[in-house]
Amino acid sequence: DGGITQSPKYLFRKEGQNVTLSCEQNLNHDAMYWYRQDPGQGLRLIYYSQIVNDFQKGDIAEGYSVSREKKESFPLTVTSAQKNPTAFYLCASKLGGSTSGANVLTFGAGSRLTVL
Amino acid sequence: AQRVTQPEKLLSVFKGAPVELKCNYSYSGSPELFWYVQYSRQRLQLLLRHISRESIKGFTADLNKGETSFHLKKPFAQEEDSAMYYCALKGTGSGGSNYKLTFGKGTLLTVNP
Repeated sequence: DGGITQSPKYLFRKEGQNVTLSCEQNLNHDAMYWYRQDPGQGLRLIYYSQIVNDFQKGDIAEGYSVSREKKESFPLTVTSAQKNPTAFYLCASKLGGSTSGANVLTFGAGSRLTVL
Repeated sequence: AQRVTQPEKLLSVFKGAPVELKCNYSYSGSPELFWYVQYSRQRLQLLLRHISRESIKGFTADLNKGETSFHLKKPFAQEEDSAMYYCALKGTGSGGSNYKLTFGKGTLLTVNP
Protein backbone atom coordinates (compact mmCIF):
# COMPACT_ATOMS: atom_id res chain seq x y z
CA ASP A 1 0.00 0.00 0.00
CA GLY A 2 1.83 3.08 -1.24
CA GLY A 3 1.70 6.36 0.57
CA ILE A 4 3.16 8.65 3.17
CA THR A 5 3.47 7.65 6.80
CA GLN A 6 3.88 10.23 9.52
CA SER A 7 4.70 9.35 13.08
CA PRO A 8 3.87 9.82 15.80
CA LYS A 9 0.26 10.85 15.30
CA TYR A 10 0.21 12.71 18.62
CA LEU A 11 3.21 14.05 20.50
CA PHE A 12 3.58 15.99 23.71
CA ARG A 13 6.69 17.94 24.54
CA LYS A 14 7.88 20.00 27.42
CA GLU A 15 9.14 23.49 26.76
CA GLY A 16 12.83 23.54 25.94
CA GLN A 17 12.90 20.08 24.39
CA ASN A 18 13.62 19.28 20.77
CA VAL A 19 11.35 16.79 19.06
CA THR A 20 11.61 15.01 15.72
CA LEU A 21 8.64 14.14 13.52
CA SER A 22 9.05 11.29 11.10
CA CYS A 23 7.89 11.25 7.48
CA GLU A 24 8.43 8.22 5.24
CA GLN A 25 7.16 7.66 1.69
CA ASN A 26 7.28 4.61 -0.54
CA LEU A 27 6.01 6.39 -3.65
CA ASN A 28 9.48 6.91 -5.11
CA HIS A 29 8.78 10.64 -5.10
CA ASP A 30 11.67 13.03 -5.53
CA ALA A 31 10.33 16.06 -3.65
CA MET A 32 9.14 16.21 -0.07
CA TYR A 33 7.57 18.98 1.99
CA TRP A 34 6.70 19.98 5.53
CA TYR A 35 3.75 22.24 6.19
CA ARG A 36 2.32 23.59 9.40
CA GLN A 37 -1.47 23.82 9.64
CA ASP A 38 -3.00 26.22 12.16
CA PRO A 39 -6.68 27.23 12.41
CA GLY A 40 -7.29 30.29 10.28
CA GLN A 41 -3.73 30.22 8.92
CA GLY A 42 -4.04 27.54 6.29
CA LEU A 43 -0.91 25.60 5.34
CA ARG A 44 2.40 27.36 5.74
CA LEU A 45 5.54 25.90 4.19
CA ILE A 46 8.34 25.10 6.62
CA TYR A 47 10.93 23.28 4.47
CA TYR A 48 11.01 21.46 1.18
CA SER A 49 13.45 19.15 -0.53
CA GLN A 50 13.73 18.62 -4.26
CA ILE A 51 16.18 15.76 -4.07
CA VAL A 52 18.26 13.73 -1.65
CA ASN A 53 20.85 15.74 0.31
CA ASP A 54 19.24 19.02 -0.67
CA PHE A 55 16.56 21.16 0.99
CA GLN A 56 15.36 24.75 1.05
CA LYS A 57 13.72 26.94 3.67
CA GLY A 58 10.07 27.70 3.24
CA ASP A 59 8.20 30.68 4.61
CA ILE A 60 8.42 29.82 8.32
CA ALA A 61 11.66 27.84 8.74
CA GLU A 62 12.86 29.55 11.92
CA GLY A 63 13.07 27.12 14.82
CA TYR A 64 12.89 24.06 12.58
CA SER A 65 15.50 21.82 10.95
CA VAL A 66 15.34 18.96 8.44
CA SER A 67 17.54 16.39 6.77
CA ARG A 68 17.16 14.39 3.57
CA GLU A 69 19.69 11.59 3.73
CA LYS A 70 17.42 9.09 2.00
CA LYS A 71 14.92 9.57 -0.79
CA GLU A 72 12.10 8.06 1.21
CA SER A 73 12.65 9.95 4.46
CA PHE A 74 12.36 13.64 5.41
CA PRO A 75 12.32 14.07 9.21
CA LEU A 76 11.46 17.43 10.77
CA THR A 77 12.99 18.57 14.06
CA VAL A 78 11.11 21.16 16.04
CA THR A 79 13.72 22.86 18.19
CA SER A 80 13.39 24.77 21.41
CA ALA A 81 13.95 27.93 19.37
CA GLN A 82 10.50 27.62 17.80
CA LYS A 83 8.39 30.14 19.69
CA ASN A 84 4.98 28.58 19.15
CA PRO A 85 5.44 24.92 18.24
CA THR A 86 1.99 23.63 19.16
CA ALA A 87 0.41 22.84 15.80
CA PHE A 88 -0.62 20.19 13.30
CA TYR A 89 2.25 19.22 10.98
CA LEU A 90 1.70 17.81 7.50
CA CYS A 91 4.25 16.06 5.35
CA ALA A 92 3.76 15.77 1.59
CA SER A 93 5.61 14.52 -1.45
CA LYS A 94 5.42 14.77 -5.21
CA LEU A 95 7.06 13.08 -8.12
CA GLY A 96 8.57 16.13 -9.76
CA GLY A 97 9.58 16.37 -13.39
CA SER A 98 7.31 17.11 -16.33
CA THR A 99 5.04 14.09 -16.55
CA SER A 100 1.31 14.41 -15.98
CA GLY A 101 0.59 14.38 -12.28
CA ALA A 102 4.20 15.13 -11.41
CA ASN A 103 3.24 18.27 -9.52
CA VAL A 104 0.39 16.80 -7.51
CA LEU A 105 1.08 16.57 -3.79
CA THR A 106 0.33 13.44 -1.78
CA PHE A 107 -0.18 14.18 1.91
CA GLY A 108 0.37 12.23 5.08
CA ALA A 109 -2.20 11.99 7.85
CA GLY A 110 -0.36 14.53 9.98
CA SER A 111 1.24 14.78 13.41
CA ARG A 112 -0.20 16.89 16.20
CA LEU A 113 2.42 18.38 18.49
CA THR A 114 1.43 19.88 21.81
CA VAL A 115 3.90 21.72 23.99
CA LEU A 116 3.06 21.53 27.68
CA ALA B 1 7.11 36.31 -4.10
CA GLN B 2 4.06 34.14 -4.54
CA ARG B 3 0.88 34.62 -2.57
CA VAL B 4 -2.56 33.02 -2.51
CA THR B 5 -5.59 34.76 -1.04
CA GLN B 6 -8.85 33.07 -0.15
CA PRO B 7 -11.03 35.91 1.13
CA GLU B 8 -13.73 33.78 2.74
CA LYS B 9 -12.91 31.74 5.83
CA LEU B 10 -16.42 30.31 5.97
CA LEU B 11 -19.04 29.75 3.30
CA SER B 12 -22.46 28.30 3.96
CA VAL B 13 -25.00 27.36 1.27
CA PHE B 14 -28.08 25.20 0.99
CA LYS B 15 -28.15 21.93 -0.90
CA GLY B 16 -28.82 22.51 -4.59
CA ALA B 17 -27.60 26.10 -4.53
CA PRO B 18 -24.63 27.26 -6.62
CA VAL B 19 -21.35 27.68 -4.83
CA GLU B 20 -18.24 29.69 -5.65
CA LEU B 21 -15.07 29.61 -3.58
CA LYS B 22 -12.82 32.52 -4.40
CA CYS B 23 -9.08 32.37 -4.92
CA ASN B 24 -6.79 35.19 -6.00
CA TYR B 25 -3.07 34.90 -6.49
CA SER B 26 0.01 37.05 -6.82
CA TYR B 27 2.89 35.76 -8.91
CA SER B 28 5.16 37.48 -11.39
CA GLY B 29 5.39 34.57 -13.80
CA SER B 30 2.93 32.05 -15.21
CA PRO B 31 1.70 29.94 -12.29
CA GLU B 32 0.28 26.49 -11.98
CA LEU B 33 -2.83 26.44 -9.77
CA PHE B 34 -4.59 23.75 -7.80
CA TRP B 35 -7.54 23.19 -5.53
CA TYR B 36 -7.07 20.76 -2.65
CA VAL B 37 -9.85 19.50 -0.40
CA GLN B 38 -9.90 18.06 3.11
CA TYR B 39 -13.02 16.17 4.11
CA SER B 40 -13.70 15.49 7.77
CA ARG B 41 -11.22 12.95 9.18
CA GLN B 42 -9.56 12.45 5.81
CA ARG B 43 -6.22 13.47 4.37
CA LEU B 44 -5.77 16.55 2.29
CA GLN B 45 -6.11 15.56 -1.36
CA LEU B 46 -6.10 17.10 -4.80
CA LEU B 47 -9.46 18.17 -6.19
CA LEU B 48 -8.41 19.65 -9.50
CA ARG B 49 -5.69 21.60 -11.29
CA HIS B 50 -6.00 24.25 -13.93
CA ILE B 51 -3.79 22.58 -16.54
CA SER B 52 -6.13 19.60 -16.72
CA ARG B 53 -9.22 21.71 -17.45
CA GLU B 54 -11.27 18.97 -15.84
CA SER B 55 -14.47 18.78 -13.85
CA ILE B 56 -14.19 16.75 -10.67
CA LYS B 57 -17.26 15.94 -8.56
CA GLY B 58 -19.08 18.65 -10.50
CA PHE B 59 -16.50 21.32 -9.59
CA THR B 60 -14.72 23.44 -12.19
CA ALA B 61 -12.17 26.22 -11.93
CA ASP B 62 -10.94 28.56 -14.63
CA LEU B 63 -7.69 30.42 -14.50
CA ASN B 64 -8.26 34.12 -15.22
CA LYS B 65 -4.86 35.68 -15.69
CA GLY B 66 -6.30 39.17 -16.16
CA GLU B 67 -7.97 39.06 -12.76
CA THR B 68 -5.32 36.73 -11.27
CA SER B 69 -8.08 34.47 -10.03
CA PHE B 70 -8.83 30.75 -9.91
CA HIS B 71 -12.30 30.53 -8.42
CA LEU B 72 -13.84 27.12 -7.75
CA LYS B 73 -17.45 26.69 -8.84
CA LYS B 74 -20.21 24.11 -8.66
CA PRO B 75 -23.72 24.75 -9.98
CA PHE B 76 -25.58 22.56 -7.48
CA ALA B 77 -23.95 21.95 -4.10
CA GLN B 78 -24.37 18.63 -2.30
CA GLU B 79 -24.10 17.89 1.42
CA GLU B 80 -21.06 15.71 0.77
CA ASP B 81 -19.23 18.76 -0.59
CA SER B 82 -18.91 20.09 2.96
CA ALA B 83 -15.16 20.31 3.57
CA MET B 84 -12.18 22.61 3.85
CA TYR B 85 -10.94 23.83 0.46
CA TYR B 86 -7.47 25.16 -0.19
CA CYS B 87 -6.24 26.97 -3.26
CA ALA B 88 -2.54 26.43 -4.04
CA LEU B 89 0.02 27.91 -6.41
CA LYS B 90 3.21 26.45 -7.79
CA GLY B 91 5.82 28.64 -9.35
CA THR B 92 7.09 27.78 -12.82
CA GLY B 93 10.49 29.40 -12.68
CA SER B 94 13.79 27.58 -12.64
CA GLY B 95 15.43 25.94 -9.66
CA GLY B 96 13.82 25.86 -6.27
CA SER B 97 10.90 28.09 -7.17
CA ASN B 98 9.64 25.35 -9.44
CA TYR B 99 9.11 23.15 -6.40
CA LYS B 100 7.64 25.63 -3.96
CA LEU B 101 3.88 25.28 -3.43
CA THR B 102 2.07 28.04 -1.59
CA PHE B 103 -1.37 27.50 -0.09
CA GLY B 104 -4.12 29.92 0.82
CA LYS B 105 -5.69 29.98 4.28
CA GLY B 106 -8.59 27.85 3.21
CA THR B 107 -12.37 28.17 3.03
CA LEU B 108 -14.63 25.95 5.11
CA LEU B 109 -17.67 25.10 3.01
CA THR B 110 -20.82 23.92 4.74
CA VAL B 111 -23.71 22.66 2.64
CA ASN B 112 -26.93 22.61 4.63
CA PRO B 113 -29.79 20.20 3.90
